[in-house]
Amino acid sequence: QVQLVESGGGVVQPGGSLRLSCAASGFTFSSYGMHWVRQAPGKGLEWVAFIRYDGSNKYYADSVKGRFTISRDNSKNTLYLQMNSLRAEDTAVYYCAKGGWLQPPSPWGQGTMVTVSS
Amino acid sequence: QTVVTQEPSLTVSPGGTVTLTCASSTGAVTSGYYPNWFQQKPGQAPRALIYSTSNKHSWTPARFSGSLLGGKAALTLSGVQPEDEAEYYCLLYYGGAQLVVFGGGTKLTVL
Repeated sequence: QVQLVESGGGVVQPGGSLRLSCAASGFTFSSYGMHWVRQAPGKGLEWVAFIRYDGSNKYYADSVKGRFTISRDNSKNTLYLQMNSLRAEDTAVYYCAKGGWLQPPSPWGQGTMVTVSS
Repeated sequence: QTVVTQEPSLTVSPGGTVTLTCASSTGAVTSGYYPNWFQQKPGQAPRALIYSTSNKHSWTPARFSGSLLGGKAALTLSGVQPEDEAEYYCLLYYGGAQLVVFGGGTKLTVL
């Protein structure tokens, strides 16, 4: 079955960087687009970024544009989110989800927690 | 800034029917926004329920249905069960703007 496992979360100081990974299995990773979605503690869901199956198109929420970069390595079945210039408001659980553009993001991984604090 | 609005909270009795809605600040929601609905229970990742307005995933219980209602996307639960108590989120695709926006969520209480 489809499995998505996020990793790379942790505590980082404001202005710092972090790279999240999402290891995919149970499906042909190179055939599907992927999303990153985050959820701040006690808050709602916020879409972060999308990447097409071949990496040819990438879309970002305005709140992360210019600071975050989504990428993928289809040879390793892995999705990435490089996060730079981190702010306190980036503190959240970050989920990856399988799904092409205009397709339903499903399923989701269990998430990895990122805390931006001094 | 594009905003998607949902009812913050709703309460329904077991066995009852409730409709959650999802509105866009840009105007009427149409099928072209490919409305999706997700259920999230405490401590769990969101689970997809409905996609492209009214299509159900294989695991979606029959009591859940999606539609367009009065310029909004809608999720109707008929014959509500206690286990349906959860947070529900809608998602809209703004294809032209290459943007995805979630609604703020509706906390559904079954009482």
